[in-house]
Amino acid sequence: GQQVMQIPQYQHVQEGEDFTTYCNSSTTLSNIQWYKQRPGGHPVFLIQLVKSGEVKKQKRLTFQFGEAKKNSSLHITATQTTDVGTYFCATNAGKSTFGDGTTLTVKP
Amino acid sequence: DTAVSQTPKYLVTQMGNDKSIKCEQNLGHDTMYWYKQDSKKFLKIMFSYNNKELIINETVPNRFSPKSPDKAHLNLHINSLELGDSAVYFCASSQDWTGLYEQYFGPGTRLTVT
Repeated sequence: GQQVMQIPQYQHVQEGEDFTTYCNSSTTLSNIQWYKQRPGGHPVFLIQLVKSGEVKKQKRLTFQFGEAKKNSSLHITATQTTDVGTYFCATNAGKSTFGDGTTLTVKP
Repeated sequence: DTAVSQTPKYLVTQMGNDKSIKCEQNLGHDTMYWYKQDSKKFLKIMFSYNNKELIINETVPNRFSPKSPDKAHLNLHINSLELGDSAVYFCASSQDWTGLYEQYFGPGTRLTVT
């Protein structure tokens, strides 16, 4: 089945710095989804990428899907304290598989 | 209106007991899931149901038994609870089983086994 590896596991940044988390697969993915889980909360869907090379933006968040559809990234520009949480990539076609998540902490 | 709800929110129990967690979604979705999230935040699929039919059954001890009385409800019964069962259990739903629609998660049930 499809599996995704996510790095880094933890990232500590100063407020205002950028942040990137990466999701990689050994097989071609049909789609990739990104979720955010705030501390003490539940995962909340952010976005889905389906097309090769796709790039989508949500304010300070930029999501990319690789040309080979084997990797994806989430980049946050100028982090804020509201960005803290764990970011998960997931591929759900056929079986729901979540990456191990990247936990972001932001120092004010 | 809460889209996906779970009860109870917290569950503290002793080893060997049997407990149930209930989940309901009011989104009209066909597919529902149970996930286990451990202390390291890893989110692992346990079961998935589509229109009351079991479609995903991961390597989970048979002490865990899901039941879907209708497509809006998915319950999880756990027999003979063990310390290692302590975790947060999330229910989720999606429009269908294809994986091409977003999943909506419930608030989670924090299970503590002592």
